[in-house]
Amino acid sequence: EDQVTQSPEALRLQEGESSSLNCSYTVSGLRGLFWYRQDPGKGPEFLFTLYSAGEEKEKERLKATLTKKESFLHITAPKPEDSATYLCAVRRENSGYALNFGKGTSLLVTP
Amino acid sequence: SAVISQKPSRDICQRGTSLTIQCQVDSQVTMMFWYRQQPGQSLTLIATANQGSEATYESGFVIDKFPISRPNLTFSTLTVSNMSPEDSSIYLCSVWAASYNEQFFGPGTRLTVL
Repeated sequence: EDQVTQSPEALRLQEGESSSLNCSYTVSGLRGLFWYRQDPGKGPEFLFTLYSAGEEKEKERLKATLTKKESFLHITAPKPEDSATYLCAVRRENSGYALNFGKGTSLLVTP
Repeated sequence: SAVISQKPSRDICQRGTSLTIQCQVDSQVTMMFWYRQQPGQSLTLIATANQGSEATYESGFVIDKFPISRPNLTFSTLTVSNMSPEDSSIYLCSVWAASYNEQFFGPGTRLTVL
């Protein structure tokens, strides 16, 4: 059975204090690992898709990396507007594009 | 990106009643999905809405409780039937947009059942 575990559950950073969020996964036939950002009261906003171990993608202060067992979302010099819940999800083969999500990491960046 | 709208954005309903949630996409998409997000829990897939045929439900979800329609490539509805307080949740419509090679989510419908 697919498993997606995100850690930590919650993270508080000072503005400018870089850190990483972890997503560990167990899936049969990975067909993509997805990162989303979710603000309170809104739907998830797509950030990245990674397909193979060693792949990296960047967007502003965010960088996502992938190994065969986990993915990291690195946040460099975060700002208060980066505060949100970050969700990780996997898609496995023969799943018809359905996603299996972790519970998310709630990030708070204080000035 | 694909723009998804949902109606209603929120509702408060009485036990035993039903609510239909609408999902509209601004472009034709192949795949549409319905997810549920309960407090403190992961987003969970309810079903894949298939155009022109019956929806495909995930384990633990049944058609009698969550009937789904998808009359065309831009619209779908999810009905939450015979509601109980345990159905209080956020319900999210999602689409796979092949042209963008991305999966998008709507803003969600926040349902409270009293």
